[in-house]
Amino acid sequence: GAGVSQSPSNKVTEKGKDVELRCDPISGHTALYWYRQRLGQGLEFLIYFQGNSAPDKSGLPSDRFSAERTGESVSTLTIQRTQQEDSAVYLCASSLEGGGAYEQYFGPGTRLTVT
Amino acid sequence: DAKTTQPPSMDCAEGRAANLPCNHSTISGNEYVYWYRQIHSQGPQYIIHGLKNNETNEMASLIITEDRKSSTLILPHATLRDTAVYYCIVRVARGYGNKLVFGAGTILRVKS
Repeated sequence: GAGVSQSPSNKVTEKGKDVELRCDPISGHTALYWYRQRLGQGLEFLIYFQGNSAPDKSGLPSDRFSAERTGESVSTLTIQRTQQEDSAVYLCASSLEGGGAYEQYFGPGTRLTVT
Repeated sequence: DAKTTQPPSMDCAEGRAANLPCNHSTISGNEYVYWYRQIHSQGPQYIIHGLKNNETNEMASLIITEDRKSSTLILPHATLRDTAVYYCIVRVARGYGNKLVFGAGTILRVKS
């Protein structure tokens, strides 16, 4: 079946502009996660959705970052007033449920470059 | 979640078994051992996970020691496409929203 998809695959934006990144999870997966990976670095957790609620936003680096999820499906990560340090690959993952016994499946990521 | 320790890199000959070790000496009884890998420029890929017993699937085998303080991921017949960064992650089973905490992982280079 279809895996996690993300769009766009690449995004180049000018400093100060807003960007929206989209994630389509695997159908039926109630849990959705956003991570960020800077060049040569490990993955950093950003936010977790259970259904349409976000009980864990602890990884969002600043108030310029926000995310929403609708219909217990698609999620959008928005970065306002982008900065060069926001350049990274943004990865989305989904799992059947949010519990630790359930593996997460990752999308291919969106590569964001802020110039 | 318990911290894991992995060697920074390993080499393996194509066609041979790749054995990737992971130390998780502070693991708790309700924590799973997960393995993911990340091939260059791709998102992480789930490989396998286990709690106490050894596990096997179409990709790999996971051997967990009896005291659960270490584990080994085995790729039985490594191919060039298995060259990737392999992450060992320990993750609690209870509750919801258990994010994955990725360390540095092991860079596995499969050579012909």
